[in-house]
Amino acid sequence: EIVLTQSPATLSLFPGERATLSCRASQSVSIYLAWYQQKPGQAPRLLIHDASNRATGIPARFSGSGSGTDFTLTISSLEPEDFAVYYCQQRSNWSTFGQGTRLEIK
Amino acid sequence: QVQLQESGPGLVKPSETLSLTCAVSGYSIGSGYYWGWIRQPPGKGLEWIGHVYHSGSTYYNPSLKSRVAISLDTSKNQFSLKLSSVTAADTAVYYCARPLGDYVRVWFDPWGQGTLVTVSS
Repeated sequence: EIVLTQSPATLSLFPGERATLSCRASQSVSIYLAWYQQKPGQAPRLLIHDASNRATGIPARFSGSGSGTDFTLTISSLEPEDFAVYYCQQRSNWSTFGQGTRLEIK
Repeated sequence: QVQLQESGPGLVKPSETLSLTCAVSGYSIGSGYYWGWIRQPPGKGLEWIGHVYHSGSTYYNPSLKSRVAISLDTSKNQFSLKLSSVTAADTAVYYCARPLGDYVRVWFDPWGQGTLVTVSS
């Protein structure tokens, strides 16, 4: 099973700041990595698939990068609605998710 | 626009079978795509359970494969999850979602709102 490790566990930032979230895979997943946003009491929402492809309707401030074992989700300038939990998911070998990064308002 | 909505009992007894249904609107499930299930224990991360292709082919998480069955009901435009021999460890919010991609190499979009299933006597 491919294990995804997300860091940091919690990230505290001000609105307007840049957020950088990391996801590291225990073995190469090529570009087969997706990112999701989950707000309290809601289902996850797809942000990015295949490392860098924004899903339909996702604002341009969200971007993804990386390949192999190291991936990054960047939010260029945080809006109040961006504070949530973010999960990465690999689809290279079956499907597994990271444990999540909580992005909170500082 | 595809929309999904889960339904089913919120409480299941240990050793019994958990049964959930996902109603799909905005698309005829027999026409294409995969249709799947993911769960999230309270306060924890996400776990892929499995999915079914519109042809009926199924793909299951190896850790759950012996207990899981996912099937389509095209006449009602819905698909179902059955998880047998449940224990407290199966307590979770269960989401239905549409997998995109190929075979087991999928990502998920969109998702249903989720339904909490508690396993307790």
